[in-house]
Amino acid sequence: QVQLVQSGAEVKKPGASVKVSCKASGYTFTSYGISWVRQAPGQGLEWMGWISAYNGNTNYAQKLQGRVTMTTDTSTSTAYMELRSLRSDDTAVYYCARDRLEWSSFQTNFDYWGQGTLVTVSS
Amino acid sequence: EIVLTQSPATLSLSPGERATLSCGASQSVSSSYLAWYQQKPGLAPRLLIYDASSRATGIPDRFSGSGSGTDFTLTISRLEPEDFAVYYCQQYGSSLTFGGGTKVEIK
Repeated sequence: QVQLVQSGAEVKKPGASVKVSCKASGYTFTSYGISWVRQAPGQGLEWMGWISAYNGNTNYAQKLQGRVTMTTDTSTSTAYMELRSLRSDDTAVYYCARDRLEWSSFQTNFDYWGQGTLVTVSS
Repeated sequence: EIVLTQSPATLSLSPGERATLSCGASQSVSSSYLAWYQQKPGLAPRLLIYDASSRATGIPDRFSGSGSGTDFTLTISRLEPEDFAVYYCQQYGSSLTFGGGTKVEIK
């Protein structure tokens, strides 16, 4: 069965960086893209960006351009999201989510989600 | 960027009642590329509907989606106890954005 298992909770100081992992299993990793979506406490969902696990192409939300980098390691079927220059308003649960269709562009919907990783930014 | 506005913010209903949730877009959503998700506290969202009206795998037929252009609706024909949750719409016709959510609570 398809599973996305994310790394554990992180506490970071303002200005630091965080790297969250998302290990996929149960499907052909390189056939599907992965998006990252975050949710601040008590708030709605915010799409952060997408990476093709096939060729590493990325598409980032404009507000995060320059601070976020998404990568994959096909040898371990793992996707990564690194966010730099952290601020208090980056405190959120970060989710990875798989494209519903194979060979999709970034404009898609998501059928499997990781369990979420809480990132807390506090001095 | 297409802004999605969901209404109402909160819907108070009893089990067995019909729920009608709205999602309005600031611009037309091309090809009806609109999805609906359900989220329960502490859990990841779950895909219910894609392409405005197609049910995702394993979703009960009491959930249905409709609409096109700028106006979309999610209908739950008869609320079951497990349906009380927050619902989000998402458009993927022009970049990708989510609505602010509608909470369906027990009256």
